[in-house]
Amino acid sequence: AQSVTQLDSHVSVSEGTPVLLRCNYSSSYSPSLFWYVQHPNKGLQLLLKYTSAATLVKGINGFEAEFKKSETSFHLTKPSAHMSDAAEYFCVVSEAGTALIFGKGTTLSVSS
Amino acid sequence: KAGVTQTPRYLIKTRGQQVTLSCSPISGHRSVSWYQQTPGQGLQFLFEYFSETQRNKGNFPGRFSGRQFSNSRSEMNVSTLELGDSALYLCASSPENFGLPEEKLFFGSGTQLSVL
Repeated sequence: AQSVTQLDSHVSVSEGTPVLLRCNYSSSYSPSLFWYVQHPNKGLQLLLKYTSAATLVKGINGFEAEFKKSETSFHLTKPSAHMSDAAEYFCVVSEAGTALIFGKGTTLSVSS
Repeated sequence: KAGVTQTPRYLIKTRGQQVTLSCSPISGHRSVSWYQQTPGQGLQFLFEYFSETQRNKGNFPGRFSGRQFSNSRSEMNVSTLELGDSALYLCASSPENFGLPEEKLFFGSGTQLSVL
């Protein structure tokens, strides 16, 4: 069975410092992995998607994630946080395009 | 290209009533899926439709149902509303199957349902 665990419910950083949002997954097959962002009162926006083409996936707004099969991890990073990055981030797993399984989310706060 | 459109944006209903939510996918997309988002349970998959047929279904009671029309627009219906059905209902669309490497899944802004 698929599952995803976001290791931190809340992460706080200062503007200009690196961001690390951690995610571990469990999947019986080769999964598709996603990171989505949700700003208040907005829908979900896809940041990036992993589908086995390359272990380092570059997304929008300077975010990237690295797929590590040995660690079953798919952590999201950004070199320098911006105030506009403050939002809720979801790590998501799916097998063969079936339902998305969402993590509980990580709230990212960015202070000036 | 217009994004995924969900209507209405907000709904207030009372217990026991039924409700219908609408979703218009991105033009050309044939797969439409629905998700429920609550503070307690997070985001949970309801069902997915492709070419007017339900292709996948989540673990929700039969009070939750959906359908898809020939133009790919989809509706979901909740009958005999309960307080716990209060949630943000999100619709998402993709061309064929978002599991394919070249495909992405796009979400609408959701319908916020409040059950009193």
